[in-house]
Amino acid sequence: GAVVSQHPSRVICKSGTSVKIECRSLDFQATTMFWYRQFPKQSLMLMATSNEGSKATYEQGVEKDKFLINHASLTLSTLTVTSAHPEDSSFYICSADKDGDAKNIQYFGAGTRLSVL
Amino acid sequence: AQKVTQAQTEISVVEKEDVTLDCVYETRDTTYYLFWYKQPPSGELVFLIRRNSFDEQNEISGRYSWNFQKSTSSFNFTITASQVVDSAVYFCALITGGTSYGKLTFGQGTILTVHP
Repeated sequence: GAVVSQHPSRVICKSGTSVKIECRSLDFQATTMFWYRQFPKQSLMLMATSNEGSKATYEQGVEKDKFLINHASLTLSTLTVTSAHPEDSSFYICSADKDGDAKNIQYFGAGTRLSVL
Repeated sequence: AQKVTQAQTEISVVEKEDVTLDCVYETRDTTYYLFWYKQPPSGELVFLIRRNSFDEQNEISGRYSWNFQKSTSSFNFTITASQVVDSAVYFCALITGGTSYGKLTFGQGTILTVHP
């Protein structure tokens, strides 16, 4: 159990367009999900904590109007990169904290590689 | 504030060698959780182990073993008889209480390459 699906795995878009990335917990419920960004050969940087039914909590320096997060159900969180620019090109990874097990284990999706032309 | 340091940026070994990945953490909290994750070239982070601050027992799972020592704030990871499939980036991570509860603080990662 504890499978997280992230879609799409790769997206190429033109500058100025918006891109939506989905993160689904397939076999468990997750009130809390997380969105990370990872640059090549670097560690993961937490962008925001996504909470079902309430507003996301963004980390310092992350523009909430740029990176829109919606957590409409206990199994789905979405990240929308609005008006994408080349500097937004990166690897985005989501994770989900399984409700009820109180172990703080985050289960990760396979990531989305975004390339903005 | 909490911090995780993985001093080894890259390690290269030959298959069947044992290899230890170091992890040192900093936190003022008495309750915290330590993790190791593996990130293969496909990109997905795979959970390997979780340890809470009150449990200093070492753990072995197949070829993997972990040594948790609070006295030195270390949580090292050893792979015995390494295999090519072990090649990946390995991250040590920390969760503490308070306002940071639930948020993972990652180390910089160690790139492990196992040569045949």
